[in-house]
Amino acid sequence: GQQVMQIPQYQHVQEGEDFTTYCNSSTTLSNIQWYKQRPGGHPVFLIQLVKSGEVKKQKRLTFQFGEAKKNSSLHITATQTTDVGTYFCAGLYNNDMRFGAGTRLTVKP
Amino acid sequence: DSGVTQTPKHLITATGQRVTLRCSPRSGDLSVYWYQQSLDQGLQFLIQYYNGEERAKGNILERFSAQQFPDLHSELNLSSLELGDSALYFCASSGQSRMNTEAFFGQGTRLTVV
Repeated sequence: GQQVMQIPQYQHVQEGEDFTTYCNSSTTLSNIQWYKQRPGGHPVFLIQLVKSGEVKKQKRLTFQFGEAKKNSSLHITATQTTDVGTYFCAGLYNNDMRFGAGTRLTVKP
Repeated sequence: DSGVTQTPKHLITATGQRVTLRCSPRSGDLSVYWYQQSLDQGLQFLIQYYNGEERAKGNILERFSAQQFPDLHSELNLSSLELGDSALYFCASSGQSRMNTEAFFGQGTRLTVV
């Protein structure tokens, strides 16, 4: 079945460093979404990308959707301790949503 | 508040037992997803229902089953429980329209098998 691969599984950074997580699908996606799960919490929707090559920004977060609509990335500039958590991508295949395994981000002050 | 309600929040049970987890989706959402999240792990997709019918199956064990009722609430049944089934079980719902596919997660049910 459809699957979204997400890397890396873990990322530990020093506060102020940048962070990037990547998602890749073998088949074209209808859209891709990104979620953040804080420690002890549940995944919360961040953003949705629909168009080929789309780039969206939310303050220090930059989200990209590949031209072929098969890959996506989330980049955080100058990480802060409040960025800690697990970031999930979720690819939509027609009406079926599949989550990546997530990237767990830890930030050292 | 996501609008998705999961009960119970916590569940402690013994090995070999059977439990039922319940999920009420957001009003109007037709799709319900169940996920398992073990400690510090990612989201393992279990099963999806759409408007009462099974839509897709993931890594769901044969000991597990689910259903979605006419009022769109869903239940996940876990039987012959093992220690390894201890995890956080999330339910999520989405509207599935082209413009609105955002998934809303419940707070989860933390299952502990002792």
